[in-house]
Amino acid sequence: DAKTTQPTSMDCAEGRAANLPCNHSTISGNEYVYWYRQIHSQGPQYIIHGLKNNETNEMASLIITEDRKSSTLILPHATLRDTAVYYCIVRVGPSGNTPLVFGKGTRLSVIA
Amino acid sequence: GAGVSQTPSNKVTEKGKYVELRCDPISGHTALYWYRQSLGQGPEFLIYFQGTGAADDSGLPNDRFFAVRPEGSVSTLKIQRTERGDSAVYLCASSPRLAGVNEQFFGPGTRLTVL
Repeated sequence: DAKTTQPTSMDCAEGRAANLPCNHSTISGNEYVYWYRQIHSQGPQYIIHGLKNNETNEMASLIITEDRKSSTLILPHATLRDTAVYYCIVRVGPSGNTPLVFGKGTRLSVIA
Repeated sequence: GAGVSQTPSNKVTEKGKYVELRCDPISGHTALYWYRQSLGQGPEFLIYFQGTGAADDSGLPNDRFFAVRPEGSVSTLKIQRTERGDSAVYLCASSPRLAGVNEQFFGPGTRLTVL
């Protein structure tokens, strides 16, 4: 079973920041937080991952609370193409190749 | 470069028939995964290969499901005596075996419909 809890759906205005929360209160010390997204009719796509420090790449930023029990994925300037289901996943990594355990994710709708 | 490809993109079959789904991973990726996704749900893990061997097949629902990767590259997921409940999108992903990198790259999936 997925070890994360996410809201079922969220809306965001185009051009605004999208902040997607995730709870993972039972995360273990050796587990990372990963985010993937799935655009309609496509396979999931990796976005970002982190252990305890905040992370940023060209797609998004990941903010992890100090106690590591929750995190927020931030899309700084959402576009219509960011409409997708976003999955927050905890897993041992990044050196391992363990399978991903997906929950139901958050369906983000970016509105013009 | 080329991504993960899956064939066919769509497969319609009748209950009781046998089907094979093919996955071509990214060249050089040693890890390969199969997942299936039912409508409205997240992908569900089926089996994981490291090279030619199945490292973890704990997600296969029953013995009607079998997968092979004989040369450590292309993989085939085989389903015998298909049932209507097998209808889903079957996703394949591959991952390189590099220190500090285990991002999974997914293919577009095969939509299986069992009538």
